[in-house]
Amino acid sequence: GENVEQHPSTLSVQEGDSAVIKCTYSDSASNYFPWYKQELGKRPQLIIDIRSNVGEKKDQRIAVTLNKTAKHFSLHITETQPEDSAVYFCAASRVTGGGNKLTFGTGTQLKVEL
Amino acid sequence: GAVVSQHPSRVICKSGTSVKIECRSLDFQATTMFWYRQFPKQSLMLMATSNEGSKATYEQGVEKDKFLINHASLTLSTLTVTSAHPEDSSFYICSAREGNNNSPLHFGNGTRLTVT
Repeated sequence: GENVEQHPSTLSVQEGDSAVIKCTYSDSASNYFPWYKQELGKRPQLIIDIRSNVGEKKDQRIAVTLNKTAKHFSLHITETQPEDSAVYFCAASRVTGGGNKLTFGTGTQLKVEL
Repeated sequence: GAVVSQHPSRVICKSGTSVKIECRSLDFQATTMFWYRQFPKQSLMLMATSNEGSKATYEQGVEKDKFLINHASLTLSTLTVTSAHPEDSSFYICSAREGNNNSPLHFGNGTRLTVT
């Protein structure tokens, strides 16, 4: 099955700096890679996703890059703000006829300090 | 956007009792729902895939007789934790997809289960 590794487990940045979180996956057939933000005790919320037919996607301060050859993808947050503090999870899945099971990374606790 | 509602948000039960958690898709139909479990400061682990009108598909290591899943309609899936024990205490989250397999997953608010 799919295995997703995520680094770092914790990340502290100063407000205004950039944050980068990296993930690798094992299943070369995976073709959908979402990123979720989870605040303490709340549901994970989708912040951005990318499919294997593109290498980069950007939405305001958030961007995701995908390297299919190396089987890794990264989340980039620019101009970080205190409200960006949360746990971020990457995930990978393969779209099949039977469904689309997401395998999550281990999470990154991002802390944006004033 | 798509909304997934989960109830209850918190439940405390005594060891040996059963607890039912409901997951509803409020404004869309979901033939497939997913149940995840999350221990403190850990990732989301898929427990099972709930299929409307058929048996759920359980992940390796998840006891199907302990975690009963019923997906009786296109908008409701339930997870029943039977004979709960303290080690079952966790955060249980359901998710569903609006549309086809290319659509993103939306999560419920989660249920914090504490077994005393």
